[in-house]
Amino acid sequence: SAVISQKPSRDICQRGTSLTIQCQVDSQVTMMFWYRQQPGQSLTLIATANQGSEATYESGFVIDKFPISRPNLTFSTLTVSNMSPEDSSIYLCSVQPGWAMNTEAFFGQGTRLTVV
Amino acid sequence: DAKTTQPPSMDCAEGRAANLPCNHSTISGNEYVYWYRQIHSQGPQYIIHGLKNNETNEMASLIITEDRKSSTLILPHATLRDTAVYYCIVTDAGKSTFGDGTTLTVKP
Repeated sequence: SAVISQKPSRDICQRGTSLTIQCQVDSQVTMMFWYRQQPGQSLTLIATANQGSEATYESGFVIDKFPISRPNLTFSTLTVSNMSPEDSSIYLCSVQPGWAMNTEAFFGQGTRLTVV
Repeated sequence: DAKTTQPPSMDCAEGRAANLPCNHSTISGNEYVYWYRQIHSQGPQYIIHGLKNNETNEMASLIITEDRKSSTLILPHATLRDTAVYYCIVTDAGKSTFGDGTTLTVKP
């Protein structure tokens, strides 16, 4: 299993500013992912955070808007840059602790972001 | 990842079994079926997963058809706390693609 600490849990930000969200895991994990959940909708994968290399972004998401760092196997950050009200969402960190692909994923409690 | 189809909503009486279906007709041979649930305002919670055999754990049972094109999650004795959105996902790559899920409402 894995325990994920995500900070901040919520924030209200002014448009045009940036927010960095932290994800700390209590054990080393190979796979770490960032998701966005817009109000009333399902989760959408933003990117896979790769340790020691650039993140792999899904279609519709770009590094300039959502830069990601992963300096080690227990920590990652997601920055939401130049925010607009459309970025108001819950952002979730997820990890897959096992080395095999057929292991379950664990999710943080999310960061609830409101952009005004 | 293969796409999944789930009914948007279901009701279940407290204490009865909840049977949540999922269609994944394009599943490939090395993709697993995973189930997660999300209770309001919380991160998704893992329930169970399987490849082709039926699986059971302390939370639920997973029944996968022989052709693997569909599956059913069974909560044997649903409680009010099982009210949540349930997501069926098929994947072999670690990352999960979430569909719209099924909103299960357990009623007294």
